[in-house]
Amino acid sequence: GAVVSQHPSRVICKSGTSVKIECRSLDFQATTMFWYRQFPKQSLMLMATSNEGSKATYEQGVEKDKFLINHASLTLSTLTVTSAHPEDSSFYICSVSPYNEQFFGPGTRLTVL
Amino acid sequence: GENVEQHPSTLSVQEGDSAVIKCTYSDSASNYFPWYKQELGKRPQLIIDIRSNVGEKKDQRIAVTLNKTAKHFSLHITETQPEDSAVYFCAASWGSGGATNKLIFGTGTLLAVQP
Repeated sequence: GAVVSQHPSRVICKSGTSVKIECRSLDFQATTMFWYRQFPKQSLMLMATSNEGSKATYEQGVEKDKFLINHASLTLSTLTVTSAHPEDSSFYICSVSPYNEQFFGPGTRLTVL
Repeated sequence: GENVEQHPSTLSVQEGDSAVIKCTYSDSASNYFPWYKQELGKRPQLIIDIRSNVGEKKDQRIAVTLNKTAKHFSLHITETQPEDSAVYFCAASWGSGGATNKLIFGTGTLLAVQP
């Protein structure tokens, strides 16, 4: 399967600041990556599909101006949470999809104080 | 859009017993159904998947069945062990394959295997 890394694994920030999360596909050239958010004891909710060289596709209800996605290369997608607030505290996970299978990164735990 | 329901939300079994988790989906176009195991604080791990042209698939103690007519699929774990304890998610996807098929996840089942 594909190997996916994320950085940072944990981040704590103050309310109002922006946080960037990186997702790297280490052994697969990913034209598409997926970003999920997972609240405690809940399921994974797809936020957006990141497309290399073009705009991301956001799911209904996800604010594109708040969750900025950049997919500048076949191995890197970034998610920036702008003006973060405590309600943005969550586990953010990216994935890549060779064929139908999806392989997930280790996730980033964001805590907004 | 696709909606995936999963039951039960929690399941407690004795070691050695079988566990069954069920999911239903709404979009008849869905054609790929993976199951993921997620341990606390870790990434989901694919444990088994099935495509719509197959009714059943087995991998050692794990099996998945699919009923396309009823639009439901199930995960079966036999001879459960304490290390099977985790949250299990079903998911559904559609498309002709490739890297663009997004997954819609079920709500998850917390499986506890009592020694």
